[in-house]
Amino acid sequence: DVKVTQSSRYLVKRTGEKVFLECVQDMDHENMFWYRQDPGLGLRLIYFSYDVKMKEKGDIPEGYSVSREKKERFSLILESASTNQTSMYLCASSLIWVGWGDNQPQHFGDGTRLSIL
Amino acid sequence: RKEVEQDPGPFNVPEGATVAFNCTYSNSASQSFFWYRQDCRKEPKLLMSVYSSGNEDGRFTAQLNRASQYISLLIRDSKLSDSATYLCVVNDRPHAGNMLTFGGGTRLMVKP
Repeated sequence: DVKVTQSSRYLVKRTGEKVFLECVQDMDHENMFWYRQDPGLGLRLIYFSYDVKMKEKGDIPEGYSVSREKKERFSLILESASTNQTSMYLCASSLIWVGWGDNQPQHFGDGTRLSIL
Repeated sequence: RKEVEQDPGPFNVPEGATVAFNCTYSNSASQSFFWYRQDCRKEPKLLMSVYSSGNEDGRFTAQLNRASQYISLLIRDSKLSDSATYLCVVNDRPHAGNMLTFGGGTRLMVKP
């Protein structure tokens, strides 16, 4: 089974702090993703990475950065946390999509509930 | 217009009932399709992939209609443990690193 591990289930930080959320996967997946999930807004993609040191902006990258120094690890960074970044953060990983007929689902970690006070 | 649309529900059904969810997607170039299940305050988990020919996994049947751009999920003989939110998920940007687009979810509540 694919295992995606997020470093914290619950985290409380203060406005202006620099916050690191860590994610590790053990299946040698090329792709890794960070989402946030808010009531009524569903899952929204923040950033993703398709290889080491490669990153691409998702739909809501503002206020976030990411780091992928090793294939198995993908970090989300809140440079200066704000209250509107209080949310559930979900990390996911997947194999690359190779073409027609190839279904590659994403596998999620348990999530981190982040509260910014 | 949302790229992936689902009726948010909730669908309240008695145990043993058959329930069906539909989902529509806007990008005709979408390549792969999934149903995920998400329990309250938990992460989404893959329920099943959806193939063009339709596929079944126990009490769950998924269908894809590419011409009409919709996906369905049928649950037969509903159990209390089926209560969850069901997310329709589409790979509508396949050349962009397997990015998936998630529907808002349909909430199912199975009652005794």
